[in-house]
Amino acid sequence: QVQLVQSGAEVKKPGASVKVSCKASGYTFTDYYIHWVRQAPGQGLEWMGWINPNSGDTNYAQNFQGRVAMTRDTSISTAYMELNRLRSDDTAVYFCASLLRADGMDVWGHGTTVTVSS
Amino acid sequence: DIVMTQSPDSLAVPLGERATVNCKSSQSVFYNSNNKNSLAWYQQKPGQPPKMLIYWASTRKSGVPDRFSGSGSGTDFTLTISSLQAEDVAVYYCLQYYGTHWTFGQGTKVEIK
Repeated sequence: QVQLVQSGAEVKKPGASVKVSCKASGYTFTDYYIHWVRQAPGQGLEWMGWINPNSGDTNYAQNFQGRVAMTRDTSISTAYMELNRLRSDDTAVYFCASLLRADGMDVWGHGTTVTVSS
Repeated sequence: DIVMTQSPDSLAVPLGERATVNCKSSQSVFYNSNNKNSLAWYQQKPGQPPKMLIYWASTRKSGVPDRFSGSGSGTDFTLTISSLQAEDVAVYYCLQYYGTHWTFGQGTKVEIK
Protein backbone atom coordinates (compact mmCIF):
# COMPACT_ATOMS: atom_id res chain seq x y z
CA GLN A 1 0.00 0.00 0.00
CA VAL A 2 0.99 3.62 -0.40
CA GLN A 3 2.97 4.78 2.59
CA LEU A 4 5.67 7.12 3.83
CA VAL A 5 7.94 5.77 6.54
CA GLN A 6 10.01 8.25 8.52
CA SER A 7 13.18 7.87 10.51
CA GLY A 8 13.20 7.64 14.28
CA ALA A 9 13.17 10.22 17.02
CA GLU A 10 16.13 12.52 17.46
CA VAL A 11 17.54 14.49 20.38
CA LYS A 12 19.84 17.35 19.48
CA LYS A 13 21.64 20.18 21.22
CA PRO A 14 21.02 23.83 20.30
CA GLY A 15 23.08 24.85 17.30
CA ALA A 16 23.26 21.33 15.89
CA SER A 17 21.61 19.98 12.73
CA VAL A 18 19.07 17.21 12.22
CA LYS A 19 18.29 15.22 9.09
CA VAL A 20 14.98 13.36 8.89
CA SER A 21 14.29 10.78 6.19
CA CYS A 22 11.02 9.79 4.54
CA LYS A 23 10.89 6.60 2.46
CA ALA A 24 8.06 6.24 -0.02
CA SER A 25 6.57 2.94 -1.13
CA GLY A 26 3.55 1.74 -3.06
CA TYR A 27 3.75 4.39 -5.74
CA THR A 28 6.20 6.01 -8.16
CA PHE A 29 8.25 8.31 -5.94
CA THR A 30 8.92 10.87 -8.66
CA ASP A 31 5.24 11.37 -9.48
CA TYR A 32 4.30 13.52 -6.46
CA TYR A 33 5.88 16.31 -4.44
CA ILE A 34 6.91 15.61 -0.86
CA HIS A 35 5.90 18.27 1.65
CA TRP A 36 7.26 18.75 5.16
CA VAL A 37 5.00 19.96 7.97
CA ARG A 38 5.90 20.38 11.61
CA GLN A 39 3.91 20.58 14.83
CA ALA A 40 5.34 21.90 18.07
CA PRO A 41 3.98 20.35 21.29
CA GLY A 42 0.36 21.39 21.79
CA GLN A 43 0.52 23.69 18.78
CA GLY A 44 -0.84 23.81 15.25
CA LEU A 45 0.50 22.66 11.90
CA GLU A 46 3.26 24.62 10.16
CA TRP A 47 4.03 24.04 6.48
CA MET A 48 7.80 24.04 5.90
CA GLY A 49 8.07 23.51 2.16
CA TRP A 50 8.16 20.91 -0.60
CA ILE A 51 10.54 19.10 -2.87
CA ASN A 52 9.79 17.87 -6.38
CA PRO A 53 11.36 14.39 -6.32
CA ASN A 54 11.54 14.34 -10.11
CA SER A 55 13.57 17.52 -10.61
CA GLY A 56 14.92 18.19 -7.13
CA ASP A 57 13.36 21.65 -7.18
CA THR A 58 12.45 22.98 -3.74
CA ASN A 59 10.18 25.64 -2.28
CA TYR A 60 10.70 26.67 1.33
CA ALA A 61 8.48 28.68 3.67
CA GLN A 62 9.98 32.05 4.51
CA ASN A 63 10.37 31.10 8.17
CA PHE A 64 12.85 28.38 7.23
CA GLN A 65 14.72 29.82 4.28
CA GLY A 66 18.47 29.70 4.85
CA ARG A 67 18.13 27.07 7.56
CA VAL A 68 16.42 24.13 5.86
CA ALA A 69 17.42 21.87 3.00
CA MET A 70 15.15 19.33 1.36
CA THR A 71 16.79 16.72 -0.80
CA ARG A 72 15.98 13.33 -2.27
CA ASP A 73 17.57 10.11 -3.42
CA THR A 74 15.43 8.68 -6.21
CA SER A 75 17.38 5.40 -6.22
CA ILE A 76 15.89 4.53 -2.83
CA SER A 77 12.65 6.58 -3.07
CA THR A 78 13.61 8.65 -0.06
CA ALA A 79 13.25 12.32 0.73
CA TYR A 80 15.22 14.15 3.39
CA MET A 81 14.71 17.30 5.43
CA GLU A 82 17.72 18.82 7.14
CA LEU A 83 17.26 21.68 9.60
CA ASN A 84 20.35 23.57 10.74
CA ARG A 85 21.21 25.82 13.67
CA LEU A 86 18.58 24.18 15.84
CA ARG A 87 16.89 26.15 18.60
CA SER A 88 14.71 24.96 21.46
CA ASP A 89 11.60 26.15 19.61
CA ASP A 90 12.40 23.70 16.80
CA THR A 91 11.28 20.94 19.17
CA ALA A 92 8.38 19.41 17.27
CA VAL A 93 7.00 16.45 15.38
CA TYR A 94 8.08 16.65 11.75
CA PHE A 95 5.82 15.05 9.15
CA CYS A 96 6.51 14.30 5.53
CA ALA A 97 3.43 14.15 3.35
CA SER A 98 2.29 13.62 -0.22
CA LEU A 99 -0.54 16.12 -0.33
CA LEU A 100 -3.51 16.78 -2.59
CA ARG A 101 -2.43 14.27 -5.19
CA ALA A 102 -4.09 14.02 -8.56
CA ASP A 103 -5.00 10.40 -7.74
CA GLY A 104 -7.13 11.64 -4.83
CA MET A 105 -4.82 10.36 -2.13
CA ASP A 106 -3.33 12.40 0.68
CA VAL A 107 -0.57 10.46 2.40
CA TRP A 108 1.27 11.35 5.61
CA GLY A 109 4.20 9.81 7.38
CA HIS A 110 3.83 8.88 11.04
CA GLY A 111 5.95 11.81 12.16
CA THR A 112 9.44 12.12 13.63
CA THR A 113 9.90 13.74 17.01
CA VAL A 114 12.86 16.09 17.19
CA THR A 115 13.79 17.37 20.63
CA VAL A 116 16.25 20.22 20.97
CA SER A 117 17.63 20.52 24.45
CA SER A 118 20.90 21.35 26.12
CA ASP B 1 2.50 34.88 2.55
CA ILE B 2 -1.23 34.31 2.84
CA VAL B 3 -2.41 34.32 6.44
CA MET B 4 -5.23 31.95 7.38
CA THR B 5 -7.33 32.82 10.41
CA GLN B 6 -9.81 30.34 11.87
CA SER B 7 -12.68 31.02 14.22
CA PRO B 8 -13.50 30.08 16.83
CA ASP B 9 -10.38 28.63 18.46
CA SER B 10 -12.60 26.03 20.10
CA LEU B 11 -16.22 25.06 20.27
CA ALA B 12 -18.36 22.57 22.16
CA VAL B 13 -21.46 21.20 20.47
CA PRO B 14 -24.03 18.65 21.73
CA LEU B 15 -24.02 15.24 20.06
CA GLY B 16 -26.13 15.32 16.91
CA GLU B 17 -26.02 19.09 16.58
CA ARG B 18 -24.32 21.18 13.91
CA ALA B 19 -20.73 22.36 14.27
CA THR B 20 -19.37 25.20 12.14
CA VAL B 21 -15.75 26.20 11.72
CA ASN B 22 -14.74 29.32 9.83
CA CYS B 23 -11.55 30.15 7.95
CA LYS B 24 -10.60 33.50 6.48
CA SER B 25 -7.64 34.12 4.17
CA SER B 26 -5.75 37.40 3.94
CA GLN B 27 -6.16 37.35 0.16
CA SER B 28 -8.34 35.47 -2.30
CA VAL B 29 -7.41 31.85 -2.97
CA PHE B 30 -9.68 31.58 -6.02
CA TYR B 31 -8.02 30.35 -9.20
CA ASN B 32 -9.54 31.98 -12.26
CA SER B 33 -7.92 29.34 -14.45
CA ASN B 34 -10.03 26.49 -13.08
CA ASN B 35 -12.76 28.40 -11.20
CA LYS B 36 -11.79 26.70 -7.96
CA ASN B 37 -10.73 27.80 -4.51
CA SER B 38 -7.41 26.34 -3.33
CA LEU B 39 -8.60 25.53 0.18
CA ALA B 40 -8.58 22.21 2.03
CA TRP B 41 -9.82 21.07 5.43
CA TYR B 42 -7.99 18.61 7.66
CA GLN B 43 -8.98 16.73 10.80
CA GLN B 44 -6.36 15.77 13.37
CA LYS B 45 -6.88 13.49 16.34
CA PRO B 46 -4.35 13.23 19.18
CA GLY B 47 -1.23 11.28 18.30
CA GLN B 48 -2.19 10.97 14.64
CA PRO B 49 -1.16 12.77 11.47
CA PRO B 50 -3.81 15.00 9.89
CA LYS B 51 -6.43 13.51 7.60
CA MET B 52 -7.82 15.42 4.63
CA LEU B 53 -11.60 15.86 4.58
CA ILE B 54 -12.29 18.47 1.89
CA TYR B 55 -10.34 19.95 -1.01
CA TRP B 56 -11.08 22.65 -3.57
CA ALA B 57 -13.11 24.19 -0.70
CA SER B 58 -16.13 21.92 -1.17
CA THR B 59 -15.10 18.55 -2.66
CA ARG B 60 -15.36 15.80 -0.10
CA LYS B 61 -12.54 13.29 -0.19
CA SER B 62 -13.63 9.73 -1.00
CA GLY B 63 -14.61 7.86 2.14
CA VAL B 64 -15.31 10.96 4.24
CA PRO B 65 -18.79 10.87 5.82
CA ASP B 66 -21.29 13.14 4.14
CA ARG B 67 -22.00 14.96 7.40
CA PHE B 68 -18.81 16.90 6.58
CA SER B 69 -19.22 19.67 4.03
CA GLY B 70 -17.22 22.69 2.92
CA SER B 71 -18.40 25.96 1.47
CA GLY B 72 -17.23 29.46 0.66
CA SER B 73 -15.23 31.27 -1.96
CA GLY B 74 -12.59 33.94 -2.29
CA THR B 75 -11.49 34.68 1.26
CA ASP B 76 -14.19 33.18 3.48
CA PHE B 77 -14.73 29.48 4.01
CA THR B 78 -16.72 27.21 6.30
CA LEU B 79 -16.47 23.60 7.39
CA THR B 80 -19.77 22.22 8.62
CA ILE B 81 -20.37 19.01 10.52
CA SER B 82 -24.11 18.57 10.15
CA SER B 83 -24.61 16.16 13.05
CA LEU B 84 -21.66 15.91 15.41
CA GLN B 85 -20.61 12.40 16.35
CA ALA B 86 -18.33 11.34 19.19
CA GLU B 87 -15.64 10.31 16.70
CA ASP B 88 -15.55 13.85 15.27
CA VAL B 89 -13.85 15.23 18.37
CA ALA B 90 -10.62 16.56 16.93
CA VAL B 91 -8.77 19.68 15.86
CA TYR B 92 -9.68 20.98 12.40
CA TYR B 93 -7.34 22.98 10.17
CA CYS B 94 -7.81 24.84 6.94
CA LEU B 95 -4.94 24.89 4.44
CA GLN B 96 -4.51 27.23 1.48
CA TYR B 97 -2.53 25.92 -1.47
CA TYR B 98 -2.96 28.93 -3.73
CA GLY B 99 0.18 30.86 -2.90
CA THR B 100 3.78 29.90 -3.57
CA HIS B 101 3.96 29.11 0.13
CA TRP B 102 1.15 27.08 1.58
CA THR B 103 -0.23 28.01 4.98
CA PHE B 104 -2.45 26.42 7.62
CA GLY B 105 -4.94 28.10 9.89
CA GLN B 106 -4.18 27.93 13.61
CA GLY B 107 -6.73 25.16 14.20
CA THR B 108 -10.16 24.84 15.83
CA LYS B 109 -10.74 22.31 18.59
CA VAL B 110 -14.16 20.67 18.39
CA GLU B 111 -15.53 18.97 21.50
CA ILE B 112 -18.76 17.44 22.73
CA LYS B 113 -20.91 19.60 25.00
